Amino acid sequence: AQSVSQHNHHVILSEAASLELGCNYSYGGTVNLFWYVQYPGQHLQLLLKYFSGDPLVKGIKGFEAEFIKSKFSFNLRKPSVQWSDTAEYFCAVNDYSGGGADGLTFGKGTHLIIQP
Amino acid sequence: GAGVSQSPSNKVTEKGKDVELRCDPISGHTALYWYRQSLGQGLEFLIYFQGNSAPDKSGLPSDRFSAERTGGSVSTLTIQRTQQEDSAVYLCASSFQMTPTYEQYFGPGTRLTVT
Repeated sequence: AQSVSQHNHHVILSEAASLELGCNYSYGGTVNLFWYVQYPGQHLQLLLKYFSGDPLVKGIKGFEAEFIKSKFSFNLRKPSVQWSDTAEYFCAVNDYSGGGADGLTFGKGTHLIIQP
Repeated sequence: GAGVSQSPSNKVTEKGKDVELRCDPISGHTALYWYRQSLGQGLEFLIYFQGNSAPDKSGLPSDRFSAERTGGSVSTLTIQRTQQEDSAVYLCASSFQMTPTYEQYFGPGTRLTVT
C-alpha cells in the first residue's frame, strides 16, 4: 500500500524565514502529488498539485514544490514566510495502482507556526 | 458557488449508539469521498462513490461502518454501536469526476465524540 512520510511534525519559524517541508512517498509508479493546507478553524484546501510536466510547480500564496522522481520526494517550499502561513500542511498522493479511483493517501501533517 | 457541506458540525454520542453523518457535495460533482482525521492516525481514506456506487468498501474500519449515496448527490456515513475509538473528525470531499486529475474539495468535517 502507498505511504506518505512527512518528516517534520512541528516547525517553528520567524517571519521572512525560508521554508522547506519534506514529503516522501513509497509508490514507484505513476503518481499525482498534492499539498493541502488547513488554516486554524478552516477546511482543508489545495495549495498545489503535480500531475505531469514541469516538476517544479507553483501554487497559491507563493508556495512551490518540486517533484524529484528519483528521490520519491515532493518537498514544499516558500522563500519568505508570513505570520498568516501558520497552519497544518499535508502532503498527499494518488497513484494509478487502483485505476486512479482510490482516495488520497495523506502524510500525518506538519504543524507550522510562524512567529511575528 | 457553494462548497461541500457537512452536518452536523459536532456530534457527541454515548458509546453503543448509532450515528449518521451527512455530506452534501458540490453540485455537479460525480465523485464523493469520505475520510477520517484522528490524532493517532492522521487522515485516513474510508470510501469513495462514483455516482451512487461504492465499488470498494475495504477502507471502512469495521463492519459497523456503512455509507450510501442517493441521487448522485447527498451521502450519509453511518456508524453503528459507536465505540470510543470512533471519535474523530469525519471529512467529506467531492470532485468533478472520478479520476486522479480532478481536485478534491473538502468540507468542514463533522467532529464526532463518543463518550
